[in-house]
This record gives sequence, structure tokens and C-alpha cells, in this order.
Amino acid sequence: GENVEQHPSTLSVQEGDSAVIKCTYSDSASNYFPWYKQELGKGPQLIIDIRSNVGEKKDQRIAVTLNKTAKHFSLHITETQPEDSAVYFCAASRAQGAQKLVFGQGTRLTINP
Amino acid sequence: EADIYQTPRYLVIGTGKKITLECSQTMGHDKMYWYQQDPGMELHLIHYSYGVNSTEKGDLSSESTVSRIRTEHFPLTLESARPSHTSQYLCASSEHRGRAETQYFGPGTRLLVL
Repeated sequence: GENVEQHPSTLSVQEGDSAVIKCTYSDSASNYFPWYKQELGKGPQLIIDIRSNVGEKKDQRIAVTLNKTAKHFSLHITETQPEDSAVYFCAASRAQGAQKLVFGQGTRLTINP
Repeated sequence: EADIYQTPRYLVIGTGKKITLECSQTMGHDKMYWYQQDPGMELHLIHYSYGVNSTEKGDLSSESTVSRIRTEHFPLTLESARPSHTSQYLCASSEHRGRAETQYFGPGTRLLVL
């Protein structure tokens, strides 16, 4: 089955700097890669996703890149702000079969003022 | 903003009690899921459903059971709670359109079994 590895587990950056979180996956049939943000006391919320027919997707300060050959994808947050502090999860899924999301281990991002 | 609700939000209960965690969504989604999330953050799928009268076990073995009698409702039951069941339980739902779709999560139920 699919296995998703996420790094780093914790990340601390200065406000205004960029943050990068990386994930690798094992199942070459996976073709859907969402990123979720989980704030304290809340459920995860989708912040951006990418499908395998696209190499990069951007939404304001957030971007995701996908390298299908190497089987890794990354989340980039630019001009970080205190409200970006949260736990971030990557996930992978395939369109066929059970279509279950397999999550990475999570990254706790702290933005220092 | 996803319309998926979980009750209770917090539950403290003694060992041996039967509990039911409620999850409902108003989006008409066919697929629903239950995840268990430990303090170490990782999310583990314990149950999922593709529609009414469909339930499947997830990747992490769980002593809980689920039912799907109505599209909008996916309750999780523990017949006899134990301290090892202490965790956060997250419910999610997604559309079924023949391809992988976004899962929308509820706020979670934090369970403490004494």
C-alpha cells in the first residue's frame, strides 16, 4: 500500500521568511496530493491540492510542487505570518480503488515574530 | 466552509461505558470517514463508508464499530470504553465522483477514558 513520509516534523521560521515542507510517497499510481492545515482544537482544513497532471500550483502565498518521477511533493509558504503557525499534513491518494487518503506524519510549523 | 459536525466535542468517561460519537454532514456527500489522531499528530483511518449500508475497516485496527443508515449520518460506537481508547476522533466526508476528491473534516471529538 501507499506510504507517505513527511519532513521535517517541526519547523521554526522568522516571520516574513519562507517555509518549505517536503513529502515523499511510494505508490506510483497515486495522483492526488492535498495539503491540510490543522490549528489547535480544530479539524484539518484543506489549503491547497495538486493532481498529477500538474507540476506546480499556487494560491497567493502558498504553492505546491510535484515531481512524479521522484515521487515527492512540497509545500512552500512565502512571507510567513503568525497565523501560519499550525500543524500541516500532506496526503496522497489514487483515483481508482478505495481512494483512501494516506497522510504524512505532520509538521508543526511555528512562526516567530 | 465545510458543513460537517461532530458531537460531543469533549467527552470524559469511565472504563466500561458504552459511547457513541456522532458525525453528520449536510453536503450530501456519499463518502464518510473516521480517523483517530493521537498526541503525536499522525492521522490513522479506522473506518470508512461509500454510502448507505456500506462500511469498511480502515488501515488501523479499532475496537469501534460504525453504521451508515442515512447518507448524512455516520456514528461511531465503542461498546466498552478503555483507557487505550483515549484519543481524538475526526470525522470527514467527500463526494464520490469517480476520482479522488477533497475530504472535509469535522472539528473532532476529544475522548478521555479514565
